[in-house]
Amino acid sequence: EIVLTQSPASLSVSPGERVTLSCRASQSVGSNLAWYQQKPGQAPRLLIYAASTRATGIPARFSGSGSGTEFTLTISSLQSEDVAVYYCQQYNNWPPMYTFGQGTKLEIK
Amino acid sequence: QVQLVQSGGEVKKPGASVKVSCKASGYSFIGYYLHWVRQTPGQGLEWMAWINSNSGATNSAQKFRGRVTVTRDTSISTVYMELADLTSDDTAVYFCARDLDGGILPDYHFGYWGQGTLITVSS
Repeated sequence: EIVLTQSPASLSVSPGERVTLSCRASQSVGSNLAWYQQKPGQAPRLLIYAASTRATGIPARFSGSGSGTEFTLTISSLQSEDVAVYYCQQYNNWPPMYTFGQGTKLEIK
Repeated sequence: QVQLVQSGGEVKKPGASVKVSCKASGYSFIGYYLHWVRQTPGQGLEWMAWINSNSGATNSAQKFRGRVTVTRDTSISTVYMELADLTSDDTAVYFCARDLDGGILPDYHFGYWGQGTLITVSS
């Protein structure tokens, strides 16, 4: 089973600053990685898929990069509404399995 | 617009079963796989199973095999997830989620989510 490890576990950033979140896979997943945003009491929301493709309606300040085992989600200028927990997720063909990272909690300083 | 509306929360006793529903609207139901994902404080987000809404074929994570049953009723665009032999470890919010893109194989990620259903297992 592929394990996704996210870092840091939490961080506090000032509005307007750049934020970089990391997701590391225990073995290569190619570009098969997605990022989700989850606000309290809500379902996760797809932000990025295929490592770098923004989902429909996602602001341009969110971007994804990486391939293989190292991936990054970047928020170019943090807004107050970006406070949330961010998860990475990958799909494994065999055994068929979707796995998530443990999440990074993002707070406003 | 795509909507997935789940049934309400329930409290169950250990050893019981629970059945959660997910009613889809705003798209062609049979064109997309639907998944069940649960969220617990201890394990985070866990994928449980998917169903091909057209054929009814299912697949589940090894962890839940033998305990989870996913079915669908195409006449009312609804998917069901039944989890048997509940323990306190099954206390979680259960989400249904739809593939982002339709296809003959399940997608790699989840484009739309239900609102979640809290299942509490307690004696």
